Amino acid sequence: ETGVTQTPRHLVMGMTNKKSLKCEQHLGHNAMYWYKQSAKKPLELMFVYNFKEQTENNSVPSRFSPECPNSSHLFLHLHTLQPEDSALYLCASSPGTGGTGELFFGEGSRLTVL
Amino acid sequence: GQQVMQIPQYQHVQEGEDFTTYCNSSTTLSNIQWYKQRPGGHPVFLIQLVKSGEVKKQKRLTFQFGEAKKNSSLHITATQTTDVGTYFCADSGGSNYKLTFGKGTLLTVNP
Repeated sequence: ETGVTQTPRHLVMGMTNKKSLKCEQHLGHNAMYWYKQSAKKPLELMFVYNFKEQTENNSVPSRFSPECPNSSHLFLHLHTLQPEDSALYLCASSPGTGGTGELFFGEGSRLTVL
Repeated sequence: GQQVMQIPQYQHVQEGEDFTTYCNSSTTLSNIQWYKQRPGGHPVFLIQLVKSGEVKKQKRLTFQFGEAKKNSSLHITATQTTDVGTYFCADSGGSNYKLTFGKGTLLTVNP
């Protein structure tokens, strides 16, 4: 139990599908993140939300659309993805302002795009 | 942007041997965080280093931050099979919200 829960854990989708990844944190944190982890690449920051406001969009293609309805929930909506988007998508949270900035990661959603 | 280089990319050791991974940058690092990711798992925070020359220990793990704050290292003494995984360093770049991760060092341990 990490305190950050991601669903689904595995997802296979075609390039024309629309799907969503969900993340929920039970730690009372104010900041939430989406990271992409591909083989042989560093963890790539995609989006940051602080107090439900998007503070970072790291030049992510518009086929990835984040949503943060409150400080505990974060979604990543997926639409017309490409095979190169196949990766492990990690959600993380942190306390926000102050603190060490330590990230608490969820177990990830393994996405395969056919 | 800030780049954090980690070496080696892979390290295979016999159980009981020591292991070190290095994190380097051409520019001054703000704060260094270290994470461990077990195979099939997710990154887990180990420690944060803030001060120049700082050294912190966690049992068999020793973390160092260089005097010029341009490098950091993680040293494991007498590795065990439970140490298997990928070790990442990350620089905060002065922000609590934008960690830049190295590519990681994959450690495998032969029992």
